[in-house]
Amino acid sequence: KNQVEQSPQSLIILEGKNCTLQCNYTVSPFSNLRWYKQDTGRGPVSLTIMTFSENTKSNGRYTATLDADTKQSSLHITASQLSDSASYICVVSATNNAGNMLTFGGGTRLMVKP
Amino acid sequence: DVKVTQSSRYLVKRTGEKVFLECVQDMDHENMFWYRQDPGLGLRLIYFSYDVKMKEKGDIPEGYSVSREKKERFSLILESASTNQTSMYLCASMRARIARGGETQYFGPGTRLLVL
Repeated sequence: KNQVEQSPQSLIILEGKNCTLQCNYTVSPFSNLRWYKQDTGRGPVSLTIMTFSENTKSNGRYTATLDADTKQSSLHITASQLSDSASYICVVSATNNAGNMLTFGGGTRLMVKP
Repeated sequence: DVKVTQSSRYLVKRTGEKVFLECVQDMDHENMFWYRQDPGLGLRLIYFSYDVKMKEKGDIPEGYSVSREKKERFSLILESASTNQTSMYLCASMRARIARGGETQYFGPGTRLLVL
């Protein structure tokens, strides 16, 4: 069964600090991995997308890494801001004969405090 | 920019009512999806559609139906709303042809439905 597990479930950090969110997956056959940011009461917005051959990708202060051997990804946020308070969702895509199937992680709820 | 809109941000309905949730995308995407999001359960796929008049069941289709009469519009229907269908409903769209670098699902703002 395809699974995506994220940790921690929730995190509180002080403004200006860095943090790293984790995503472990057992999805096959792996196609790509995305990180989404979801503000409270709004739909998810894509931050990064990585394929098998990519092991790091940055989007401003967000840097995602992917280790396809260990099936782990991380999202590192640098110099956090209050606006980073949101849920971060890891989504892994598998492509097979049935098409493109997405498996969503449960998300990490990040709160940045002043 | 891709735009996915949903007809309502908030809805309050009574048990047994028929509920329509509308989703429209403006990027000519072939694939459209309906999810529900509940605390501790993450996003769960209800139905998806890969073409006009085509639909496929997702992980939790029971109690729901869908309609895709036009490419840009995908409707989720609760034939007889129940309290356990109180949730946040998210619509998404995506291109059918997967680019080499992968494709992204674009989400609408969500509809928070409360069934009393």
